[in-house]
Amino acid sequence: GENVEQHPSTLSVQEGDSAVIKCTYSDSASNYFPWYKQELGKRPQLIIDIRSNVGEKKDQRIAVTLNKTAKHFSLHITETQPEDSAFYFCAARVGNFNKFYFGSGTKLNVKP
Amino acid sequence: DVKVTQSSRYLVKRTGEKVFLECVQDMDHENMFWYRQDPGLGLRLIYFSYDVKMKEKGDIPEGYSVSREKKERFSLILESASTNQTSMYLCASSLGQQETQYFGPGTRLLVL
Repeated sequence: GENVEQHPSTLSVQEGDSAVIKCTYSDSASNYFPWYKQELGKRPQLIIDIRSNVGEKKDQRIAVTLNKTAKHFSLHITETQPEDSAFYFCAARVGNFNKFYFGSGTKLNVKP
Repeated sequence: DVKVTQSSRYLVKRTGEKVFLECVQDMDHENMFWYRQDPGLGLRLIYFSYDVKMKEKGDIPEGYSVSREKKERFSLILESASTNQTSMYLCASSLGQQETQYFGPGTRLLVL
């Protein structure tokens, strides 16, 4: 089955700096890659996603890039703010079934 | 706005007890999922359901069962709780073939 690896497990940045979180996947049939943000004690929320026919997608300070050849996709957060501090995790969907494989998550800490 | 609710936020049970976790969604979603979230392992799929009375095993179904008698409700059952089932349990739902999953707030279960 699919295997999704996520790095780093923790990331600490200064406010205003950029943060990058990377996920790799194993199954070339994976075609949809969402990123979730989970604040302490709250439910995961979808923040951005990308499909396999697109190389990059941007939404204000958040962007996701996909390299299908290398089988990796990354979350980029620019101009980080303290409220960006949270747990982030990636996922990959194989085929057309709504079955996802998740990365182990990254705890992002943005220092004021 | 999609709303996914879970019956308890925190639960403490003893080894051998039967445990019921309930999930309810109010958006007429066909698909419902149960995951467990453990540090360093990410979300792992326990069971999912594409329709009423329909269920499919996920990646880690051992020790669990599910019930979907009504479209809006998906129950996770631990027949005989064990300490290694101490975890955060997250329910999610999605509509048809659409990829976006909406998560519940989670139930943190401690089995003593």
